[in-house]
Amino acid sequence: DGGITQSPKYLFRKEGQNVTLSCEQNLNHDAMYWYRQDPGQGLRLIYYSQIVNDFQKGDIAEGYSVSREKKESFPLTVTSAQKNPTAFYLCASSIPGKETQYFGPGTRLLVL
Amino acid sequence: AQSVSQHNHHVILSEAASLELGCNYSYGGTVNLFWYVQYPGQHLQLLLKYFSGDPLVKGIKGFEAEFIKSKFSFNLRKPSVQWSDTAEYFCAVNPISTGKLIFGQGTTLQVKP
Repeated sequence: DGGITQSPKYLFRKEGQNVTLSCEQNLNHDAMYWYRQDPGQGLRLIYYSQIVNDFQKGDIAEGYSVSREKKESFPLTVTSAQKNPTAFYLCASSIPGKETQYFGPGTRLLVL
Repeated sequence: AQSVSQHNHHVILSEAASLELGCNYSYGGTVNLFWYVQYPGQHLQLLLKYFSGDPLVKGIKGFEAEFIKSKFSFNLRKPSVQWSDTAEYFCAVNPISTGKLIFGQGTTLQVKP
């Protein structure tokens, strides 16, 4: 089945620790996105990538980093600089120019 | 700054009631418009979209939305809701050529059986 997978479903982070969230897609989409979802705030764009080896900051990039070494993969690292990391993180992909985005199941990050 | 506003944060309806969820955006240029739905425990999925043409668009499960350009609005409607429509609904706007989606705050719909 084609789709987007995110792992793990739940992730726990200790204070001062970096954690990496995985996002893989087999839809052959060039563009990939990371969003953060908080109650009452909708989805906010963290980073996006329109093509391999290139990515841009979204609206709330501080405290996060990404890489795009392969078309299928767009991992997100939540660094210790992100002071309020507890949230639901959603990955999405699309074909550039076809702006319908397809979403993964999400990863819930909790800080211990 | 570009923004999307959903007027209703939490809506409670009885089955068979009619639904209208408001969505307004602030962007003067050409946009693509979307409604996404997130059922409990499921992926965020596309409900319907508007790119061009007939401003009244129909989506899955009997939903429709009307684009009114003069009002910068894209309201979602359904004539008769079902218990299975209980979900969170998000309006999203894509300003053409930005490659980005801007989401509203979301509306939680609870349908009582």
